[in-house]
Amino acid sequence: SAVISQKPSRDICQRGTSLTIQCQVDSQVTMMFWYRQQPGQSLTLIATANQGSEATYESGFVIDKFPISRPNLTFSTLTVSNMSPEDSSIYLCSVDQGAGYGYTFGSGTRLTVV
Amino acid sequence: GENVEQHPSTLSVQEGDSAVIKCTYSDSASNYFPWYKQELGKGPQLIIDIRSNVGEKKDQRIAVTLNKTAKHFSLHITETQPEDSAVYFCAATLNYQLIWGAGTKLIIKP
Repeated sequence: SAVISQKPSRDICQRGTSLTIQCQVDSQVTMMFWYRQQPGQSLTLIATANQGSEATYESGFVIDKFPISRPNLTFSTLTVSNMSPEDSSIYLCSVDQGAGYGYTFGSGTRLTVV
Repeated sequence: GENVEQHPSTLSVQEGDSAVIKCTYSDSASNYFPWYKQELGKGPQLIIDIRSNVGEKKDQRIAVTLNKTAKHFSLHITETQPEDSAVYFCAATLNYQLIWGAGTKLIIKP
């Protein structure tokens, strides 16, 4: 299965600033997903990122707050913009490897906004 | 849209005993059902999955069963060990998107 490198693993940020999270995959994948996970909670899909097209955002998430780049088939970034304490969470990237391999996740970015 | 319910939210079992976690889904068009294990500070890890054309799948101590008619699927862990302690999530796939259950915290008592 694919190996995902996600950076940074954790960060503490001041409110009003922005943080960009990077996700690097060791193989080419069509679909990449960005999730948010509050501590002790399930995963909530933020957006789906396909190479060469605009990301598709889920209800409650907007591009101005969570801009996503997908420049090629192995890399994506998620930016959390103009952060507030409510953005404190774990952010995870995931890839769909197609039939038989399921979805693989990065190790996550634990964000604390102070 | 699809909705996945997972029970129980917490499960405590004696080491060596079996653990069963159950999920139900609402959309009969869902066709792929993975189970993930998440340890503290890590991303979810796929442990087993099943497709809608299969009723049961087994991998060593873990197994998954699927009842399409009743729209429910279950994770079975036998001979539980301390390293099985984690949060387990079920999911159902609809149009390439994972719809997640709320998670089950599995505690293995020594």
